[in-house]
Amino acid sequence: DQQVKQNSPSLSVQEGRISILNCDYTNSMFDYFLWYKKYPAEGPTFLISISSIKDKNEDGRFTVFLNKSAKHLSLHIVPSQPGDSAVYFCAASAMRGKLIFGQGTELSVKP
Amino acid sequence: GAGVSQSPSNKVTEKGKDVELRCDPISGHTALYWYRQSLGQGLEFLIYFQGNSAPDKSGLPSDRFSAERTGGSVSTLTIQRTQQEDSAVYLCASSFGQGAYNEQFFGPGTRLTVL
Repeated sequence: DQQVKQNSPSLSVQEGRISILNCDYTNSMFDYFLWYKKYPAEGPTFLISISSIKDKNEDGRFTVFLNKSAKHLSLHIVPSQPGDSAVYFCAASAMRGKLIFGQGTELSVKP
Repeated sequence: GAGVSQSPSNKVTEKGKDVELRCDPISGHTALYWYRQSLGQGLEFLIYFQGNSAPDKSGLPSDRFSAERTGGSVSTLTIQRTQQEDSAVYLCASSFGQGAYNEQFFGPGTRLTVL
């Protein structure tokens, strides 16, 4: 039972354009959502998070949007840079519990 | 400062052999997590240690998997009688406190290949 799903295994974007990575979840008890970025041969690193009391959180070029009614969140990267090329994982937790991760989306930003 | 370290970085073993994977968390972090990432899959939670509390073992896939954390620091994940489906990258993470609100810092992982 995949509670957190990233249906796009890969995404290719031109440098300077917007990257939109999507994530869907099924558990309505999830109240905290995170995005992690992973480069090859490295562990994931925390990127940005959002609480269920908000619908948007912004940090520089990165913005996370949460649509609770649709059980959907997305990560927007504007403008995209070649250094953003990595695998992005969304994760969710319920009541400060352990994280449930999605399968990841590999982003490739072309110069 | 030093991050989370894991050893070995790569391990190739034969089916049926036992393996031990090591994790050194960030000093002072009380919470330690093990995950694995199989090919094409997300990060699958395995086990979680928090201070002196009993570990949350709910993610361990079978009784061939076990983990311990000695002295509240270093952790070892042991897989007995390895199977080919155990092949994956095993990731360790630590955090200052428990729960999702405390950022987890990940190690680089151990890539396990079972032949």
